[in-house]
Amino acid sequence: AQTVTQSQPEMSVQEAETVTLSCTYDTSESDYYLFWYKQPPSRQMILVIRQEAYKQQNATENRFSVNFQKAAKSFSLKISDSQLGDAAMYFCAYRSASGATNKLIFGTGTLLAVQP
Amino acid sequence: GAGVSQSPSNKVTEKGKDVELRCDPISGHTALYWYRQSLGQGLEFLIYFQGNSAPDKSGLPSDRFSAERTGGSVSTLTIQRTQQEDSAVYLCASSLGGGIGYTFGSGTRLTVV
Repeated sequence: AQTVTQSQPEMSVQEAETVTLSCTYDTSESDYYLFWYKQPPSRQMILVIRQEAYKQQNATENRFSVNFQKAAKSFSLKISDSQLGDAAMYFCAYRSASGATNKLIFGTGTLLAVQP
Repeated sequence: GAGVSQSPSNKVTEKGKDVELRCDPISGHTALYWYRQSLGQGLEFLIYFQGNSAPDKSGLPSDRFSAERTGGSVSTLTIQRTQQEDSAVYLCASSLGGGIGYTFGSGTRLTVV
């Protein structure tokens, strides 16, 4: 069974600085998707960025980028120029691409605080 | 609708009572998922509906939990004889077919007292 591990329960960053959130996963599959979701106090999960495992190039969305290391099964999220609005819980998630199941498997989350 | 709607937003119930949580997915989204988020935990998969296929119930924690989806649209998650450990946020998500574009609702916070 696939698992997702986020080893940092809490992180803190100064406004305008850069922070990296860690995520590792375990799978025997070769094709899958990886996601980072943001959950603000409103509770709604918001997609930050996603990566297809077959793509070697790291995904980037404005200030958010990932470092995808397939062999190491690592998928970290880098937030550049941190803003107060980035403060939230961040979840890493995995989904198989095989089509046997479409469910997302989540890590336990990292609570990010942004200091002014 | 424009997004995934869940009701109620918050629910307090007494131990032993039954509760129903509702999810109204995005129109046209054939896939619907229920997750449970307990304090300090990630999201735990409960159940998945895809079109007219038999649902994937592999995540339901006990036979007190059940869910149905009527007409391929609205879904109801029912918890019978609630226990204190059922206290959590219950999140619903929908997607178009087997696609990876998931839209989540804002969840229902269930508190069992």
